Amino acid sequence: GQQLNQSPQSMFIQEGEDVSMNCTSSSIFNTWLWYKQDPGEGPVLLIALYKAGELTSNGRLTAQFGITRKDSFLNISASIPSDVGIYFCAGQVYAGGTSYGKLTFGQGTILTVHP
Amino acid sequence: GAVVSQHPSWVICKSGTSVKIECRSLDFQATTMFWYRQFPKQSLMLMATSNEGSKATYEQGVEKDKFLINHASLTLSTLTVTSAHPEDSSFYICSAIAAGGNQPQHFGDGTRLSIL
Repeated sequence: GQQLNQSPQSMFIQEGEDVSMNCTSSSIFNTWLWYKQDPGEGPVLLIALYKAGELTSNGRLTAQFGITRKDSFLNISASIPSDVGIYFCAGQVYAGGTSYGKLTFGQGTILTVHP
Repeated sequence: GAVVSQHPSWVICKSGTSVKIECRSLDFQATTMFWYRQFPKQSLMLMATSNEGSKATYEQGVEKDKFLINHASLTLSTLTVTSAHPEDSSFYICSAIAAGGNQPQHFGDGTRLSIL
C-alpha cells in the first residue's frame, strides 16, 4: 500500500547531538503524527500535528506540519541514550467510510545514540 | 490517558492451533480499532479496520477467514488467528481511536506470536 517517504533510514549519533528526520508524501493528510517504537513494544505517540504550518514541541522534541500538508519533520535536541528506538511518521485521514482515521506510515528511522 | 491494553503479550503454540488476541481501550471508548502486523525492522502493515457493531474491513491480501476480527463493544476488539501455521508467526499490534473528530491512534504493546 501507500507509504510515506521517511528519511533517513537510520542514524548513528553521539549523546548530546541534535537529530532531524522528515517525511514527505504525494498525498495531503489531515493530521501528521510522530511515534516512537522500542523493541518488542507498540508505537508510542510523541507529537500530533493538526494544522498546516503548526509547530509543536514536547520536551526536547519539536515537530512541524508542512504548509502543503504533504510533509513533516521531527527534531530531537540534545539526544540521550534512551532516545534509541525506531521513529515513525504517519499521516492520518478523516474521510468518511472505511478510511476514517486510517494511518499511512513512513518506513521508520532507526536511531542509535552512543554514550 | 488513552491507554490501550493488548493481551497476551506473547504466545507460543503448535501449528494448527487457533489463537485469540484481545485489544482493550482502558480509559476511553473506541469506535474504531485497527489491527497491524509487523515484521522485524519493518513498518506496520495494516491488516484490518474494526468498527464496533459491524463487520471488519480487511486490507487487500488479508484473508478474512484466517484472521477473524470481532468488535463486540466500544472497549474491546479481538483478533483470532485460525489454524495458525509457522508463516503466521509475527508481531501483531492493535490500535484504537476515541470518538470525536481528529483523534490520533493509540497503540497496544503488541503480541509476539510464534507458531512451532
